[in-house]
Amino acid sequence: GIQVEQSPPDLILQEGANSTLRCNFSDSVNNLQWFHQNPWGQLINLFYIPSGTKQNGRLSATTVATERYSLLYISSSQTTDSGVYFCAVLPYGQNFVFGPGTRLSVLP
Amino acid sequence: DTGVSQNPRHKITKRGQNVTFRCDPISEHNRLYWYRQTLGQGPEFLTYFQNEAQLEKSRLLSDRFSAERPKGSFSTLEIQRTEQGDSAMYLCASSLFMRDTEAFFGQGTRLTVV
Repeated sequence: GIQVEQSPPDLILQEGANSTLRCNFSDSVNNLQWFHQNPWGQLINLFYIPSGTKQNGRLSATTVATERYSLLYISSSQTTDSGVYFCAVLPYGQNFVFGPGTRLSVLP
Repeated sequence: DTGVSQNPRHKITKRGQNVTFRCDPISEHNRLYWYRQTLGQGPEFLTYFQNEAQLEKSRLLSDRFSAERPKGSFSTLEIQRTEQGDSAMYLCASSLFMRDTEAFFGQGTRLTVV
C-alpha cells in the first residue's frame, strides 16, 4: 500500500519563528489533507490540498502532486500552534492513510 | 449542522466487557470512516462505509470488532470481550464522496480497558 512519511518528527521553535513541515507519499492520490491534533485528541482540518497552494492566515500549504510531496508552512509561530500535525492522503478508491505526524513545540 | 459527533467521549471498561461507540456524521455525507489511534502514533484505518455498505475492513479489525451503519446515517462500532490492547482513541470521520473528498473528524472516543 501507499507509504506516507513526514519530517521532521519533532520540531522545537521559539515563538515568532517560521517552520516548514514536509509530507512525502509513494503513489498518486485523490486527496491530501493537513490536520492539527489538539490536546484533546480532535483532528482539526487545516487544508484540503490535493494540488496547488493555499493560504489561511499564518499558515499556507503547497502540494506538488507530480512529485508526490506536500509542504505546510507556519509563519510567526505562536504557543497555540503547538501540537501534532498530520498529513493524510487518499489514494484512488481506497481509505485515508496518515503519516506518523510532526510534533511541534513552540516555546514562549 | 455542528459537524461529526461521537459518543461517548470517554469510556472506561473492565477487560472482557463489550463496548459500543456511536458516530453521527455530517448529515449529507455518504462516506463514514473509523480509525484507531494509540499514544504517539498516527491514526490507523479500521473500516469505512459508503451509505450503508461496508466497503473495506482493515486486518486490524479482528472478529471481536464489528461496525454497522444502518440506513446510511449514524454508525456504531462494537468491541466484544475487550482486551487491554484495545485501549486507544477511536476516531470517526465523514465525507461527501463526489468530487470533493475532504473528510471531517469527530472529537473521538477514548477507551481505557482496565
